[in-house]
Amino acid sequence: KNQVEQSPQSLIILEGKNCTLQCNYTVSPFSNLRWYKQDTGRGPVSLTIMTFSENTKSNGRYTATLDADTKQSSLHITASQLSDSASYICVVSAIRNYGGSQGNLIFGKGTKLSVKP
Amino acid sequence: NAGVTQTPKFQVLKTGQSMTLQCAQDMNHNSMYWYRQDPGMGLRLIYYSASEGTTDKGEVPNGYNVSRLNKREFSLRLESAAPSQTSVYFCASSVKLGQVFTGELFFGEGSRLTVL
Repeated sequence: KNQVEQSPQSLIILEGKNCTLQCNYTVSPFSNLRWYKQDTGRGPVSLTIMTFSENTKSNGRYTATLDADTKQSSLHITASQLSDSASYICVVSAIRNYGGSQGNLIFGKGTKLSVKP
Repeated sequence: NAGVTQTPKFQVLKTGQSMTLQCAQDMNHNSMYWYRQDPGMGLRLIYYSASEGTTDKGEVPNGYNVSRLNKREFSLRLESAAPSQTSVYFCASSVKLGQVFTGELFFGEGSRLTVL
């Protein structure tokens, strides 16, 4: 069964500290993996996409990694800010459309990050 | 740029009442989606429309109907609301749902529905 597992479920860190969020998946055949940020009361917004051939990609203070062999991705946040407080959702895209039950996107349940002053 | 617009933002219904959530996108996207988001469950797909004129069931379609009115608009209808449908509903759109899909969805701000 295609699944995406995220850890931890929630995380509290102090402003200025670094943190790493994990995403493990069993989706096959793999197309790409995307990280979304969802602020409280808002819709998710894409942060970055990782394709099969990419190992690391940075977007400002956010760095995503992908290990396609172990089917793991991480999102590292450097020098956290209060505005980083949000839920971070990992979404994996499969190459084939799985008959409509989920389209071809498999969602993780998200990690809720709280950055405290 | 408006992006994806959902209405209403908040709604309170009584059990058995009906209502329609409206969604419109101005990005000329082919594919549109309705998700619900509940605490601890993540986002779950209710229905999607790969292109104008087609709709398909997602993971949790029971109790809902959809209409792809035109390329821009995709509505979600609750015919007889139940307390289990209390949730936050998100409409999303994308360039095209197909075999090789980049996975970027553009979401609306959400509609918060409470069924008493």
